[in-house]
Amino acid sequence: EVQLVESGGGLVQPGGSLRLSCAASGITSSGYWIHWVRQAPGKGLVWVSRIYSDGGSESYVDAVKGRFAISRDNAKNTVYLQMNSLRVEDTALYYCASHPTTLLWRWGQGTLVTVSS
Amino acid sequence: NLMLTQPPSVSGSPGETISISCTRYSASSYVQWYQQRPGTSPITVIYESNQRPSGVPDRFSGSIDFSSNSAYLTISGLTTDDEADYYCQSFDSNIEGFVFGSGTKVTVL
Repeated sequence: EVQLVESGGGLVQPGGSLRLSCAASGITSSGYWIHWVRQAPGKGLVWVSRIYSDGGSESYVDAVKGRFAISRDNAKNTVYLQMNSLRVEDTALYYCASHPTTLLWRWGQGTLVTVSS
Repeated sequence: NLMLTQPPSVSGSPGETISISCTRYSASSYVQWYQQRPGTSPITVIYESNQRPSGVPDRFSGSIDFSSNSAYLTISGLTTDDEADYYCQSFDSNIEGFVFGSGTKVTVL
């Protein structure tokens, strides 16, 4: 069974940085995607970024381009989201999700990021 | 860029059948549907437009109407357990990423 565990959230001031981690286990397919999706309090789901298992493909939503960077450490089965120049509007619960070549997404429990002075 | 439109809310009585629409989806991409109960992570109820993951009741089904560029999630035999927010999602090749609909709150009367 696929398990995704996010960590690294917290309270940070505007302009600050945080690095989120997504530890994956139980993934048996050789190729798979890991995504970050965020949900502001009381709002809907917003896709943020994705990376492929070989690390060769990554993409971002326009709102975070140039500020966020996704990466992976296959030896640790972990994907990271480095978030710089954080803004108040980045405040959200950040989920990681995974899927193989099919589009059956599995979700983690989320980690909360609060950007506030 | 791709924008997916959902009705803000849909309601029905126990045992009834409801459908949630997701319009302006791209016919070249699959649609996924997620259920999110309050305070919990989303779960996939339909993927690749009409595929149901194991463990999801067969009361949930997905369909596409190509003539109207709309996708539908249909829930039959409605139960109080189905009360949740439901989101559609599809791939947008313009951003090489995914787009979610605005979400539909399902209420069982």
